[in-house]
Amino acid sequence: GAVVSQHPSWVICKSGTSVKIECRSLDFQATTMFWYRQFPKQSLMLMATSNEGSKATYEQGVEKDKFLINHASLTLSTLTVTSAHPEDSSFYICSARVQPRTSGIYNEQFFGPGTRLTVL
Amino acid sequence: GESVGLHLPTLSVQEGDNSIINCAYSNSASDYFIWYKQESGKGPQFIIDIRSNMDKRQGQRVTVLLNKTVKHLSLQIAATQPGDSAVYFCAEGRGGSNYKLTFGKGTLLTVNP
Repeated sequence: GAVVSQHPSWVICKSGTSVKIECRSLDFQATTMFWYRQFPKQSLMLMATSNEGSKATYEQGVEKDKFLINHASLTLSTLTVTSAHPEDSSFYICSARVQPRTSGIYNEQFFGPGTRLTVL
Repeated sequence: GESVGLHLPTLSVQEGDNSIINCAYSNSASDYFIWYKQESGKGPQFIIDIRSNMDKRQGQRVTVLLNKTVKHLSLQIAATQPGDSAVYFCAEGRGGSNYKLTFGKGTLLTVNP
């Protein structure tokens, strides 16, 4: 259980175009999803927290008008990179939060497989 | 041995040996800590977590140790296998309304057959 998918797994686009990345929780409902960006050989950096039915909360330094997030349902969040430029090329990873369970796993996030964005 | 590169610390071990991956965290108020494994081109995979009121937790072939005095976390992998080769990240988090995870730098583990 607790599977998170992303689509597409990779995308190549021209500079100036917009790209939409989907994140889905396949077998559970996620009121909270997260979007991360990861550059080569670096760690995951949180971009924003996406809450179903409300506006996303962006981390400091992340442009909300450039990285549009929509969490329209309990199983889907989308990240749109608007007017993409080569410096936006990165590995974008989403995660969905599972509520704490009595089994001992605490505040666990399940991650999607990531989307490789290359902007030419 | 263990070395620190420009971006990613690395650890190279022989198959069958035990591995110890270390992590220093920054927020003494963090409620819990999680270790993730990330293979090339994939998303992070949950390994084990530990709450801040614990100092040790064991899983299958893995043990996490937490030293709050020096804000240090370690992941021990017993009988390391080639399939364990990956980048390992520690993450610290807080619960409640400000829930989010902050990831550490990561360590590249290479297991030599």
